Amino acid sequence: QQQVKQSPQSLIVQKGGISIINCAYENTAFDYFPWYQQFPGKGPALLIAIRPDVSEKKEGRFTISFNKSAKQFSLHIMDSQPGDSATYFCAALKTDSWGKLQFGAGTQVVVTP
Amino acid sequence: DVKVTQSSRYLVKRTGEKVFLECVQDMDHENMFWYRQDPGLGLRLIYFSYDVKMKEKGDIPEGYSVSREKKERFSLILESASTNQTSMYLCASSGQGLSQETQYFGPGTRLLVL
Repeated sequence: QQQVKQSPQSLIVQKGGISIINCAYENTAFDYFPWYQQFPGKGPALLIAIRPDVSEKKEGRFTISFNKSAKQFSLHIMDSQPGDSATYFCAALKTDSWGKLQFGAGTQVVVTP
Repeated sequence: DVKVTQSSRYLVKRTGEKVFLECVQDMDHENMFWYRQDPGLGLRLIYFSYDVKMKEKGDIPEGYSVSREKKERFSLILESASTNQTSMYLCASSGQGLSQETQYFGPGTRLLVL
């Protein structure tokens, strides 16, 4: 049973558009929420992360929005580019769990030219 | 530069064979992880290790075992490969304390069991 639920499974967006990926969790003990980006043929790599005491974090064109009361967080990719085409995983971590991340099922994003 | 390497990018094995997947990290990380990645199921944790010779089951350990004899090396063993173990296998590592928050992944091994 997945502890982090991610949607949609796939997403097609035009160049310049906004990509939005949503995640929800149940365990309120989670205290760190990263997003990983995976290109074809590569392993996932950390993209951006947020802690629950912050409602938003922005790094370049990537923004995480965090709603603690709803136990939801989302990734927004602004001005999407073809180079952003990848699979994106949300995850959640509970401190003192040996770094054991709980991953969502992943979202394949395709940005069309 | 941080590096996690996996012994093979592609492997083809027969049903019933014993399969070894090797992972090496050069970051002196305490924690190491083995995942399998399947479409629509995301990354599922098979086993992890938080120290040499220490191992813990993840979410789907059945049919797998692991070995960690040295800090930098974490091996995944398929005792008797079956077709339902055809998958992409990813190894990752992380440090401790705040460093545990970031996992560094290898490029993956795509295993086909015939």
